[in-house]
Amino acid sequence: SQTIHQWPATLVQPVGSPLSLECTVEGTSNPNLYWYRQAAGRGLQLLFYSVGIGQISSEVPQNLSASRPQDRQFILSSKKLLLSDSGFYLCAWSVGLAKNIQYFGAGTRLSVL
Amino acid sequence: DAKTTQPPSMDCAEGRAANLPCNHSTISGNEYVYWYRQIHSQGPQYIIHGLKNNETNEMASLIITEDRKSSTLILPHATLRDTAVYYCIVVGYGQNFVFGPGTRLSVLP
Repeated sequence: SQTIHQWPATLVQPVGSPLSLECTVEGTSNPNLYWYRQAAGRGLQLLFYSVGIGQISSEVPQNLSASRPQDRQFILSSKKLLLSDSGFYLCAWSVGLAKNIQYFGAGTRLSVL
Repeated sequence: DAKTTQPPSMDCAEGRAANLPCNHSTISGNEYVYWYRQIHSQGPQYIIHGLKNNETNEMASLIITEDRKSSTLILPHATLRDTAVYYCIVVGYGQNFVFGPGTRLSVLP
């Protein structure tokens, strides 16, 4: 069966520090991968998605970047965190061109202080 | 922007059916209706989706009106564990999801 792993579960970082969040998927090949952010009390906002290794699409301009070094690995990064980067970050995967039925990880709660 | 409109909150008594409405009056013919829920501090969970016909699975039923401009998610026997934010999403083939604020369902004992 397919599983998705995100880590860490929580993270507290100072303003200006770098960030690296990792997401891996097991049990499937060539998944579509997604990074979402959820601000407190808000809905999910799609940040990046990838349909293959090295292929990254950005949905919103921001202080973050994403990379997909391996088929089932998706990394969210920042060189210098801002206070506004605080939030709940969720990784998700789906299969196929239809991109239907996305499955989400448990999320990382990031607090930038 | 999300293509759907949902009430911000609803209450339901434990053991009763929870009926969550969703308005999607601008839906196109090839767009699907998806429902997800998010229990506090967890990742969203897929519930069900449909195009035209009503759908049922082990979690819920989805009723789509004949004109497809609205739908209702039905949890037949709500439990306390069904307390969550429920998202209704309209999406076409190959498109990305756009999440709105959803409906916060509180199941009361």
